[in-house]
Amino acid sequence: GENVGLHLPTLSVQEGDNSIINCAYSNSASDYFIWYKQESGKGPQFIIDIRSNMDKRQGQRVTVLLNKTVKHLSLQIAATQPGDSAVYFCAEISTPYSGGGADGLTFGKGTHLIIQP
Amino acid sequence: NAGVTQTPKFRILKIGQSMTLQCTQDMNHNYMYWYRQDPGMGLKLIYYSVGAGITDKGEVPNGYNVSRSTTEDFPLRLELAAPSQTSVYFCASTHRLGHRGTEAFFGQGTRLTVV
Repeated sequence: GENVGLHLPTLSVQEGDNSIINCAYSNSASDYFIWYKQESGKGPQFIIDIRSNMDKRQGQRVTVLLNKTVKHLSLQIAATQPGDSAVYFCAEISTPYSGGGADGLTFGKGTHLIIQP
Repeated sequence: NAGVTQTPKFRILKIGQSMTLQCTQDMNHNYMYWYRQDPGMGLKLIYYSVGAGITDKGEVPNGYNVSRSTTEDFPLRLELAAPSQTSVYFCASTHRLGHRGTEAFFGQGTRLTVV
């Protein structure tokens, strides 16, 4: 089933159910957000992104929702599969780091999604 | 297509030792990054490079050095290892600077323990 909350370290869902992973961001100046998936022993993998002028963006089986009023971001995964088991990170982008080069990419702590058979 | 390759995968260092974490990419990306990931945490940027010969500091550069002599390679150097540097290190590259509207490709990580 679904579990809604903020900063949950672990989310357990039944295979086939929808998953909702939540993230609260801190910087109201952040104008770009990304969700990453990190499987055990691997590097992060881009899932989907959204700009701050959008409220919703859909990909394949995934939807990201952005609520700027409460600075909240969510990732919805439809029909969760065993391969969706991973840690999911949201990342916000605001002003560049020193040197004006790389984005100020700030990662959240992550949510571990566990799929129950 | 190998993508981003990091070596070694695991390493144990004694306090005060030095080592170089290797990173190479074969996608001809100009932009490369080094991140560290502490247990249960997200990634923090150590250094980044916008092209051969150009590097700049990220959020947590202290205790590290980098160089970028070629487009493909971006090694990370630890000169005097400290326990606080125990972490998993990820190298990444992008075809445009930054992460806006561009996918970052990450290596599989180097797990470093300093004892």
